[in-house]
Amino acid sequence: NAGVTQTPKFRILKIGQSMTLQCAQDMNHNYMYWYRQDPGMGLKLIYYSVGAGITDKGEVPNGYNVSRSTTEYFPLRLELAAPSQTSVYFCASSPKGGIYGYTFGSGTRLTVV
Amino acid sequence: AQTVTQSQPEMSVQEAETVTLSCTYDTSESDYYLFWYKQPPSRQMILVIRQEAYKQQNATENRFSVNFQKAAKSFSLKISDSQLGDAAMYFCAYRSAGAGGTSYGKLTFGQGTILTVHP
Repeated sequence: NAGVTQTPKFRILKIGQSMTLQCAQDMNHNYMYWYRQDPGMGLKLIYYSVGAGITDKGEVPNGYNVSRSTTEYFPLRLELAAPSQTSVYFCASSPKGGIYGYTFGSGTRLTVV
Repeated sequence: AQTVTQSQPEMSVQEAETVTLSCTYDTSESDYYLFWYKQPPSRQMILVIRQEAYKQQNATENRFSVNFQKAAKSFSLKISDSQLGDAAMYFCAYRSAGAGGTSYGKLTFGQGTILTVHP
C-alpha cells in the first residue's frame, strides 16, 4: 500500500521557472491538501480539494495553482518561481475531512535560486 | 481564526526519562479535534495521538499521552520512557468540528518543538 506519493523529493528551480509537484494517493480519499512548511512557521495550507473537480484556496495560495481531474491525483503548479517559494511542500489526504488526521506524503524540498 | 502556539522551540530529555511538550490554542468553538504529529529527520509526518474535544478522557497511545485542559485551551504531550527514536520535531494541530466553511478539514499547525533525546 503506497499511501500518498509525492514527486520529486528535491528540486532546485531558477527564478521565473515553472514546475509541477506531483501527488498521488491510492486510498480513494476524497479530501486532499497541499501545505508548505517553513522554519519556525509550522505548516500553512496552500490549496485543498474535497473531491474530483472541486478545489479551493487555503491560507497562502498566491503563486500556486492546482487541479483535480481524478480522485487519485492532485498536482500543485508553481508559475514564475520566486525565492519566497523556497520551502518544503507536503501533500496529504483524508477520507473524512481530517477528523482522524491526514495521511501525508514524504514531502518535496524546493529551492528557488 | 484559530491559532495554535507551541512556546517551546526546543526541548531535550535523557533516554528513559519523561518529557512534556506544551501546546495552547485559541478558539471560540466548543467542538474540535486536536492532534500531535511527529516529524523525524526523514521528514515524514506521523500521527502520534488524537483527541476529541467533547471527550473528557485524555487520549493515550502506548508511551504517549496527552493532558487536555479544555477550559485552559491547553493540549500537552507527555512522552514516557523516552527513546532515541523519539527524537524529532513535534507539531500540535487543531481541526474544527464545525460544518459549512470549516468542513473541508483544514488543520491549523503550531510552530513545532524540536525534541532531542540524549543517551
